[in-house]
Formats: sequence, structure tokens, C-alpha cells
Amino acid sequence: NAGVTQTPKFRVLKTGQSMTLLCAQDMNHEYMYWYRQDPGMGLRLIHYSVGEGTTAKGEVPDGYNVSRLKKQNFLLGLESAAPSQTSVYFCASRPDNSYQPQHFGDGTRLSIL
Amino acid sequence: GQQVMQIPQYQHVQEGEDFTTYCNSSTTLSNIQWYKQRPGGHPVFLIQLVKSGEVKKQKRLTFQFGEAKKNSSLHITATQTTDVGTYFCAGRGNTGKLIFGQGTTLQVKP
Repeated sequence: NAGVTQTPKFRVLKTGQSMTLLCAQDMNHEYMYWYRQDPGMGLRLIHYSVGEGTTAKGEVPDGYNVSRLKKQNFLLGLESAAPSQTSVYFCASRPDNSYQPQHFGDGTRLSIL
Repeated sequence: GQQVMQIPQYQHVQEGEDFTTYCNSSTTLSNIQWYKQRPGGHPVFLIQLVKSGEVKKQKRLTFQFGEAKKNSSLHITATQTTDVGTYFCAGRGNTGKLIFGQGTTLQVKP
């Protein structure tokens, strides 16, 4: 079982460059999330989706865009990367039932120089 | 807005000692989940508490949900080196969103 797969695992960007992080889940989950994790800050929600074709802002959405064109995929885009976006990014998914846990991918380590 | 505070941020213990992390919410929670993240890994779900005053055990781990459903704790008895990692609580309030605490990083000296 693949679960939640994130690509790439590592990336180094220069300030101003753009890139897209891909999250794919094979569990037919309705809800998908993008978090960033920084030392001492825990997991902060960037954007989330409650189903195919829907997206919503989380706690720290500025500088990021997302798309959920297919149910199994949730894309996170950085249009113009900034050093403050250096972080570890985690994607997660869960079924429609809010009492179900979230399943996380292995993360993407992103450095912006 | 809803906030979930977790203390302590770091804890160093000698192997065999006990460990406790505390989670406090600014609002009443419908449920609280606990996750563990090993160094270099991703968060993995441990358990969920739903009822007021609920206590659940997983081997050496004991999880409690407060009577007012605004706080929770995770207690590990006789820590082992395999317990190393960061423990997160995550509470769901009236917004329906799951809010993660900052996490407690546990180091265990053999």
C-alpha cells in the first residue's frame, strides 16, 4: 500500500523561482491537507481540500496556491519562492468522517537560497 | 481563534524514567488525536480521545482527556530509546478544523 506519496523528497530553489509539490493518495480519501513544519512551530496548515475541485485557505496560505483537479492528487505551488518558505512540507489525507485520523506523506524538504 | 498549546517543548530523560506531555486548548474540543513523529520521519497517528474524562492505554503509553474536554496528556512509563521522537496533540474544535500543538520532543539517554 502506497498511502500518501509526496514528490519530490528534496529540492533546493533560488529566490524567485517557482515550483510545484505533488501529493498523491491511493486511499480514496476526500480530505487532503498541506502543512509546513518549522522548528518549534509544530504543523501549520497552509491549504486544504474537502473534495475534488475544492480548495480552502488554512492558517498560513500567503505565497502558496493549490489545486485539486483529481481526487487523488493535491498540488502545492510556490509562484515566487522566498527564503521564508524554507521548510519541511507534509501532505496528509483522511476520509470524510472527521473522527478518522490523518495519514501523512514522508515530506518534502525545501530550501530556498 | 482556536489555539492548542503543548508543553514542554523539549524533554530529556534517562532511560527508564517517566515522561509526560500536556496539551491545552483555548476552546472545548470535540475530539483530540495524538501523533508521533520519529526523527526524520512523518507524523503517525497514535490514538484518539472523544469522551470527557476518557483514559486509554497502549502498553506503556497512557492518554487522558480532561473532564472539560479542553486539555489532554500523554504519559509514558519507563521510557525506552525507541520512544524518542516528537509527540503532537491535535484538537478539533467548533470550527471543525484539526489544530496541532507545537509538539514535545523527547530525547532518551541510554
